[in-house]
Amino acid sequence: KAGVTQTPRYLIKTRGQQVTLSCSPISGHRSVSWYQQTPGQGLQFLFEYFSETQRNKGNFPGRFSGRQFSNSRSEMNVSTLELGDSALYLCASSLADTSGGTDTQYFGPGTRLTVL
Amino acid sequence: AQSVTQLGSHVSVSEGALVLLRCNYSSSVPPYLFWYVQYPNQGLQLLLKYTSAATLVKGINGFEAEFKKSETSFHLTKPSAHMSDAAEYFCAVNGGNQFYFGTGTSLTVIP
Repeated sequence: KAGVTQTPRYLIKTRGQQVTLSCSPISGHRSVSWYQQTPGQGLQFLFEYFSETQRNKGNFPGRFSGRQFSNSRSEMNVSTLELGDSALYLCASSLADTSGGTDTQYFGPGTRLTVL
Repeated sequence: AQSVTQLGSHVSVSEGALVLLRCNYSSSVPPYLFWYVQYPNQGLQLLLKYTSAATLVKGINGFEAEFKKSETSFHLTKPSAHMSDAAEYFCAVNGGNQFYFGTGTSLTVIP
């Protein structure tokens, strides 16, 4: 079974631009979570989608948004990019509702975003 | 609320020596705990997970972790370090719809 895929792998943008990142979960997985990883802040939770609905959201400004499609693929959008948005953006998928606490997240390779 | 604390942001061991990476958790309910490994410029890879079936959990690449409720710990160990173990290791707890990750421990293996 194919793993989580993320596109593109690398991205260079300039301040003020917007960017869209894509994540395709493992087949059959309905939950997709996004994380921002930086050397100083570690892994920070952005949001989680399940069955096209955002179920949980981290403490990020409204410039960060996402959506999930009926096939569980997810996109993340960042508008009006700032230098501080430079990071590795990781997507993780899991099989089903995680509220039972037994599910496992499987990560993609990430998208490295550089904002100049 | 759930959280994890990883003690030691950097750990160095000699090749062949014991690896011990520390993780303490805080959880108001029985926790489900995970260890992930991240190699440079890659995503996180699951090493092992604890889901209350057994307190000693064996994972991939010779790693194992022991859940100790009395100490609220879930430390990761490997009897003999290999050069290929050099990476960043993250402990995580599942808190409902969200995973909570520790700040990570960078493992250096000295030849």
